[in-house]
Amino acid sequence: DAGITQSPRHKVTETGTPVTLRCHQTENHRYMYWYRQDPGHGLRLIHYSYGVKDTDKGEVSDGYSVSRSKTEDFLLTLESATSSQTSVYFCAISDFTRDLHYEQYFGPGTRLTVT
Amino acid sequence: EDQVTQSPEALRLQEGESSSLNCSYTVSGLRGLFWYRQDPGKGPEFLFTLYSAGEEKEKERLKATLTKKESFLHITAPKPEDSATYLCAGGGSGDYKLSFGAGTTVTVRA
Repeated sequence: DAGITQSPRHKVTETGTPVTLRCHQTENHRYMYWYRQDPGHGLRLIHYSYGVKDTDKGEVSDGYSVSRSKTEDFLLTLESATSSQTSVYFCAISDFTRDLHYEQYFGPGTRLTVT
Repeated sequence: EDQVTQSPEALRLQEGESSSLNCSYTVSGLRGLFWYRQDPGKGPEFLFTLYSAGEEKEKERLKATLTKKESFLHITAPKPEDSATYLCAGGGSGDYKLSFGAGTTVTVRA
């Protein structure tokens, strides 16, 4: 998984509770992304980061916030979890290469269930 | 708005039965068209990047091609271990985000 870990790998939580998911990379890549994957929707971008403390919204950012205080860590927070946020969450990283490749490499995912 | 559409949603093949997956895209200023493989319970695994129409890339039994409107992933003489969901994604100009299709789930029976 290209030096990407996600924690926790599985979590069950109750509606209304805060939840934080962590993504950690050892590749020193500049860009980091949070996606959610749901049946029939494919991968949808929640938030992304283009550097330490530099973040921006994706297409499904409502109800989520992120923080990146170090190059290697990108946190996704659900301030008050809802059942609609039950999903599988993936972190991804990317960076420039000499040929301007910017393929993204994905972590193993976190399965979140909100009851 | 960038859009990526994959067809079919599911594909069932006999071992050795070659076939193709389609990825249609409307991505402003396409910088790259990406193919990924995803096994159940795992994160997507990068396969190919295609940058310009006419480009082709191969890996084992997989070959990806790109036109100005579509990309195809050809699976030649598939084996059961090729069973997976294949995702395509387009990256446009101006940023480093990708727009993903919903995927094609391929099942290869022995």
